[in-house]
Amino acid sequence: GEDVEQSLFLSVREGDSSVINCTYTDSSSTYLYWYKQEPGAGLQLLTYIFSNMDMKQDQRLTVLLNKKDKHLSLRIADTQTGDSAIYFCAAYYGQNFVFGPGTRLSVLP
Amino acid sequence: DSGVTQTPKHLITATGQRVTLRCSPRSGDLSVYWYQQSLDQGLQFLIQYYNGEERAKGNILERFSAQQFPDLHSELNLSSLELGDSALYFCASSPGGREGSEQYFGPGTRLTVT
Repeated sequence: GEDVEQSLFLSVREGDSSVINCTYTDSSSTYLYWYKQEPGAGLQLLTYIFSNMDMKQDQRLTVLLNKKDKHLSLRIADTQTGDSAIYFCAAYYGQNFVFGPGTRLSVLP
Repeated sequence: DSGVTQTPKHLITATGQRVTLRCSPRSGDLSVYWYQQSLDQGLQFLIQYYNGEERAKGNILERFSAQQFPDLHSELNLSSLELGDSALYFCASSPGGREGSEQYFGPGTRLTVT
């Protein structure tokens, strides 16, 4: 089955760019997602990319997909303290949504 | 506020018992999704309903079942509860049924099994 991996922690300085990485195992995944979870809250869908795309940009967010390496990244430009949260990568595979363990992003002032 | 409501917020029960979690989707949304979030297993997709019909199934145990009613609210039933079922259960809704639809998450129900 599908497996999604992420590094667990990332610290950046306010104003810098953050890059959160994700790898997945099944190349038949059709959609790949990035979610944000703030403390005590549910998940918020940030963006998603279809598997036939290489890049998607939405304001401060840029998603890059390398299908050959099965690698997905989320870049947050001009990171702010309000971006501190856990970021989940997820893949849609065989009518199942598979989530990574989440990357805790800490933004230092 | 996402517009998705879940009740109850917290639930404490004993092993072997049965509980029902309730979810009301955003007005107009036809799909409801259920997720389980626990420290040891992370976030897992359980099941999706679209307009009353089961659409997709994830890692849902046989002891768990769900349904979506004609008014589109959904219930997740958990039976023969075990300590390991303690988790945060999220419901999400989306307007359509296809993957890629933006999902709006509720605040979750925290289940503690003692």
